[in-house]
Amino acid sequence: KNEVEQSPQNLTAQEGEFITINCSYSVGISALHWLQQHPGGGIVSLFMLSSGKKKHGRLIATINIQEKHSSLHITASHPRDSAVYICAVRRSGGGADGLTFGKGTHLIIQP
Amino acid sequence: EAQVTQNPRYLITVTGKKLTVTCSQNMNHEYMSWYRQDPGLGLRQIYYSMNVEVTDKGDVPEGYKVSRKEKRNFPLILESPSPNQTSLYFCASSLVAGSLYEQYFGPGTRLTVT
Repeated sequence: KNEVEQSPQNLTAQEGEFITINCSYSVGISALHWLQQHPGGGIVSLFMLSSGKKKHGRLIATINIQEKHSSLHITASHPRDSAVYICAVRRSGGGADGLTFGKGTHLIIQP
Repeated sequence: EAQVTQNPRYLITVTGKKLTVTCSQNMNHEYMSWYRQDPGLGLRQIYYSMNVEVTDKGDVPEGYKVSRKEKRNFPLILESPSPNQTSLYFCASSLVAGSLYEQYFGPGTRLTVT
């Protein structure tokens, strides 16, 4: 079983819809990251969370440490939001430093 | 402009021919890392470096070497590439190692080994 699971794997929605992408993890973490990868391949960091909720423009990220779950929400979705969204966690408690990634959610927003 | 650069962006090579993918950052970051991305497997860490002359293995280090002689550069070396190293490679950096420091990713290097 993967340490980081994302759902759904693929999501197609209409412009303007409210989008939710989920991330569940099975290990202890010190932080969770949400990343965006555009069709050209470049990866951009959207959020880093250790608790609570963060908002940036139309994007909102939440995390529930007790439930080991995070969500990324997009309000008023737009075709330019089409991308792969990747959840990644930084494991706590030592071991190899670095991020463990989910396999990504491929989002398509149709006009 | 703050950025992480990688070269080359695309490379097709043959089995066994040594190659180096360069990574450079202009943000004076201490922490640098290499990842590979494969369909169905996602991103996986190859090697990381906490600072100059300090490197360590990630989750999939076999077949790769790295060095960190200068703070800004973190090259990835494939001494004898094999077809299973065909992948999309990303270099990343952050100010220091740690939970809440944003990682900056390079544009990626698409490597094909025939």
